[in-house]
Amino acid sequence: KNQVEQSPQSLIILEGKNCTLQCNYTVSPFSNLRWYKQDTGRGPVSLTIMTFSENTKSNGRYTATLDADTKQSSLHITASQLSDSASYICVVSATGTASKLTFGTGTRLQVTL
Amino acid sequence: NAGVMQNPRHLVRRRGQEARLRCSPMKGHSHVYWYRQLPEEGLKFMVYLQKENIIDESGMPKERFSAEFPKEGPSILRIQQVVRGDSAAYFCASSPPLWTGRTTEAFFGQGTRLTVV
Repeated sequence: KNQVEQSPQSLIILEGKNCTLQCNYTVSPFSNLRWYKQDTGRGPVSLTIMTFSENTKSNGRYTATLDADTKQSSLHITASQLSDSASYICVVSATGTASKLTFGTGTRLQVTL
Repeated sequence: NAGVMQNPRHLVRRRGQEARLRCSPMKGHSHVYWYRQLPEEGLKFMVYLQKENIIDESGMPKERFSAEFPKEGPSILRIQQVVRGDSAAYFCASSPPLWTGRTTEAFFGQGTRLTVV
């Protein structure tokens, strides 16, 4: 069964600090992995998308890594801002099933003063 | 180019009524996906449609739920005889045709929050 697990479930950090969110998956055969940011009451917004051959990808202060061998990904947020407070969702797509993305339950990040 | 538009944003229905949720994909997108997000849970795939065709409805409950994406107009997710357990956020996403050769990206709407009372 395709599954995506994220940790931690929730996280509180001070503004300006860095943090790393983890994602483990068992989706097979693997096609791509995406990280989405979902603000409360809004739809998910894509941060990064990585295919099998990509190890790292950055989008501003967000850097995602992918280890296809261990089936792990991380999202590193640098110099956090209050606006980073949101849920961060790891989503994995299997080859040939572009229609079905397997979503993690997300990590709720709260950035405080 | 407007994003994926969903309406209404909030919908309240009494048990037994019908709920109709609308989704207008981004311009140029011919693929629509519906997802359901229960409180404290991740998004769950429901159905994948192209214009006038249901491609994959493996995530749809067998009864009371239906979806369509007509040649003209938005995609509609219809829930008949709603029950309290149908209360959730329903998200629509759209993507361009899969034959573009690129890794497809799906863009999400803001969701419709259905509350059944």
